[in-house]
Amino acid sequence: GDKVKQSPSALSLQEGTNSALRCNFSIAATTVQWFLQNPRGSLINLFYLVPGTKENGRLKSAFDSKESYSTLHIRDAQLEDSGTYFCAADGSSGSWQLIFGSGTQLTVMP
Amino acid sequence: EAAVTQSPRSKVAVTGGKVTLSCHQTNNHDYMYWYRQDTGHGLRLIHYSYVADSTEKGDIPDGYKASRPSQENFSLILELASLSQTAVYFCASTWSNTGQLYFGEGSKLTVL
Repeated sequence: GDKVKQSPSALSLQEGTNSALRCNFSIAATTVQWFLQNPRGSLINLFYLVPGTKENGRLKSAFDSKESYSTLHIRDAQLEDSGTYFCAADGSSGSWQLIFGSGTQLTVMP
Repeated sequence: EAAVTQSPRSKVAVTGGKVTLSCHQTNNHDYMYWYRQDTGHGLRLIHYSYVADSTEKGDIPDGYKASRPSQENFSLILELASLSQTAVYFCASTWSNTGQLYFGEGSKLTVL
């Protein structure tokens, strides 16, 4: 099964509303990263997390290693937030790669 | 901000031909990666390297070779391109195997 499972797979929002994306892990992740792939195809690193939370403007992310999940909250969604959001987790100590989820496709509508 | 540049950004190749995708990073990162993204899917690791002159296999290495001639440069080589290798390829770099990952802009490869 999927080691990094993202939900929902797709989401539509009205501009100005809030949403939450989630990643569940079946691996013992020690760090999590969130990326936005914009409509041009570029992958932008939004967050690098050890267990805990981080905030950057309208984005806030949390990582709970004990419960094996991470969330990305988007507040006051804007049109430019549209794109595909990927989370990726590393394994336990000694792991050498990030494992990516399949992404959440977000569309923000005016 | 880490700078990772890929070339070419787009390429059309014929089946059986040789393709080389190049990646250059300017931030002194030790780790470099090549990922493949198929339409509507996440990223899968092809090859990676943590030191010059050494490469390691990722999850889907078959049909691909990699070369790391220097810390800054990492190439992906398709000796005999096949239709199934049509995809977007991303290079990435980071300072350690659990560090923040920085991606290049991607190289769209179409094999006809």
